[in-house]
Amino acid sequence: DQQVKQNSPSLSVQEGRISILNCDYTNSMFDYFLWYKKYPAEGPTFLISISSIKDKNEDGRFTVFLNKSAKHLSLHIVPSQPGDSAVYFCAASDGGSYIPTFGRGTSLIVHP
Amino acid sequence: DAGVIQSPRHEVTEMGQEVTLRCKPISGHNSLFWYRQTMMRGLELLIYFNNNVPIDDSGMPEDRFSAKMPNASFSTLKIQPSEPRDSAVYFCASSLGQTGANVLTFGAGSRLTVL
Repeated sequence: DQQVKQNSPSLSVQEGRISILNCDYTNSMFDYFLWYKKYPAEGPTFLISISSIKDKNEDGRFTVFLNKSAKHLSLHIVPSQPGDSAVYFCAASDGGSYIPTFGRGTSLIVHP
Repeated sequence: DAGVIQSPRHEVTEMGQEVTLRCKPISGHNSLFWYRQTMMRGLELLIYFNNNVPIDDSGMPEDRFSAKMPNASFSTLKIQPSEPRDSAVYFCASSLGQTGANVLTFGAGSRLTVL
């Protein structure tokens, strides 16, 4: 049973437009949510996180929104750039175990 | 720091052979994770060590898989005997441990192909 779900395997966006990647979770005990970015032949790298006490966290072009009542979070990239083309993993952890659970990833392609 | 170092980067072996994957975590990190990435299941946790002690190995598929962390700077993941369904990319990651968001630093991965 997947506790972290990324239902869109892929997303295609034009350069300069907004990219929105979505993630749903089922475990109400999760209190930290993270996004990782992965290029081919490399390991995932940390991008941005948000704790459950917040509903928004922003870092440059990247913003993560958290809707606890809907158990949903999203990553917004504005404006999108071709270098953003990668696989994005959503991850969540609870304060008890600190072990991140990952979604299956969404492949983002940003067209020039 | 050179980051998390994994070896080998690529391994091709035949069914039934033993495979050993190696990982050197970031110095000072006290948590180490082994993940496996497949198309069907994404990134799934195999085992988690804290201060060199296995804490959660519930993700290890079966007895053919074993992992060790003899000291703070080295860990191995062994598959014996290997099977074609073990073909995947295996990632090692380390972190500072049980604090806040617990951000993981991943190695580049070991791509395993079992023929």
